[in-house]
Amino acid sequence: GESVGLHLPTLSVQEGDNSIINCAYSNSASDYFIWYKQESGKGPQFIIDIRSNMDKRQGQRVTVLLNKTVKHLSLQIAATQPGDSAVYFCAENRAYTGRRALTFGSGTRLQVQP
Amino acid sequence: NAGVTQTPKFQVLKTGQSMTLQCAQDMNHNSMYWYRQDPGMGLRLIYYSASEGTTDKGEVPNGYNVSRLNKREFSLRLESAAPSQTSVYFCASMGVGDTQYFGPGTRLTVL
Repeated sequence: GESVGLHLPTLSVQEGDNSIINCAYSNSASDYFIWYKQESGKGPQFIIDIRSNMDKRQGQRVTVLLNKTVKHLSLQIAATQPGDSAVYFCAENRAYTGRRALTFGSGTRLQVQP
Repeated sequence: NAGVTQTPKFQVLKTGQSMTLQCAQDMNHNSMYWYRQDPGMGLRLIYYSASEGTTDKGEVPNGYNVSRLNKREFSLRLESAAPSQTSVYFCASMGVGDTQYFGPGTRLTVL
């Protein structure tokens, strides 16, 4: 079935390095994508979003890139810090279904080594 | 402004017992959602409510019922709990934009 998925289940980086977390989606009609961060024992926390009419959006230390040609989404975290250690989920909002609800990928765990 | 709150934080049930998970939001959002998260997996939508007075099924509605009590509150009920319903349950709300804000979750174990 259609799904939003992630390439790497675990990513380990050194403190100060840049991190890149990838996500593939399968439905070209999806029009809105979100990255969430989930720390242990907590609910998902919004990081950044992007609509399908854009290919790049920047936030504070984070950048999301959208490649609609290959249906690929990535989250870049600059100067990764220990506090960035968490599970990161991409999610798509399939508004074309008439339902404003999210479909989540399975997540990537980011481990930041001091 | 507390955002999205959920009660209880933890719950243990025996098979066949019933319970209601409570969710409230103080952001004046129209849409509210219930998800479940199983170990090592993303969130799956159980039910959602686009506005007060309406509810719709998500991906995994079987075994659950919901009530949108008013604009602030959206409850999830398990009528006869099963071990397969052991999970972490998250409530979320969404306003005019498409960003959903999540509560802290309820960890449910069904023995």
